[in-house]
Amino acid sequence: EAGVVQSPRYKIIEKKQPVAFWCNPISGHNTLYWYRQNLGQGPELLIRYENEEAVDDSQLPKDRFSAERLKGVDSTLKIQPAELGDSAVYLCASSLKLGSPTLWNTIYFGEGSWLTVV
Amino acid sequence: GENVEQHPSTLSVQEGDSAVIKCTYSDSASNYFPWYKQELGKRPQLIIDIRSNVGEKKDQRIAVTLNKTAKHFSLHITETQPEDSAVYFCAASSDYKLSFGAGTTVTVRA
Repeated sequence: EAGVVQSPRYKIIEKKQPVAFWCNPISGHNTLYWYRQNLGQGPELLIRYENEEAVDDSQLPKDRFSAERLKGVDSTLKIQPAELGDSAVYLCASSLKLGSPTLWNTIYFGEGSWLTVV
Repeated sequence: GENVEQHPSTLSVQEGDSAVIKCTYSDSASNYFPWYKQELGKRPQLIIDIRSNVGEKKDQRIAVTLNKTAKHFSLHITETQPEDSAVYFCAASSDYKLSFGAGTTVTVRA
């Protein structure tokens, strides 16, 4: 079974340029997450989708970041315009939500998209 | 929101010795506590998890303990091997939102 697939793996852009990252979750997983991981730190949630609905985007910097998951499967995260401080690894993850939080299922991560803004 | 603190930030152990990483969390509603291992340039991978209705869980050389009253949980790795060298992250969750600690870089010396 394929895991969470992300592209591109690496991206170098100049500041003020736009960039987009794509994620395809594990087949059948209804919940999709975008995390940002700065060097030497743990992942921080940007946005969580349940199917096509963004149920938690409280940490997404909405002035420059946007995300979509139109058909409830793959997702795109966009940054426009990029700033130097956006350099980080953008991790996509997915899981299968089973009704109650007590039935939490494992979150699987992709390999990440490494962004360098120069 | 949830705040997870993780200690130590770096840990160096002799091969064969044990390693212990400790985490505290702030939200008493958190009910799921996974641990992830991340090798350089790789994805975080789940190594063990524990739910709030369990105090301890073991899987071969890895064990996790949870103290809900004190709001802390720990990862124990016994008989460490060179392949255990990596960054380890604890996390805590309520309502499907995982909050991660800052990570512990574990180095196993041969």
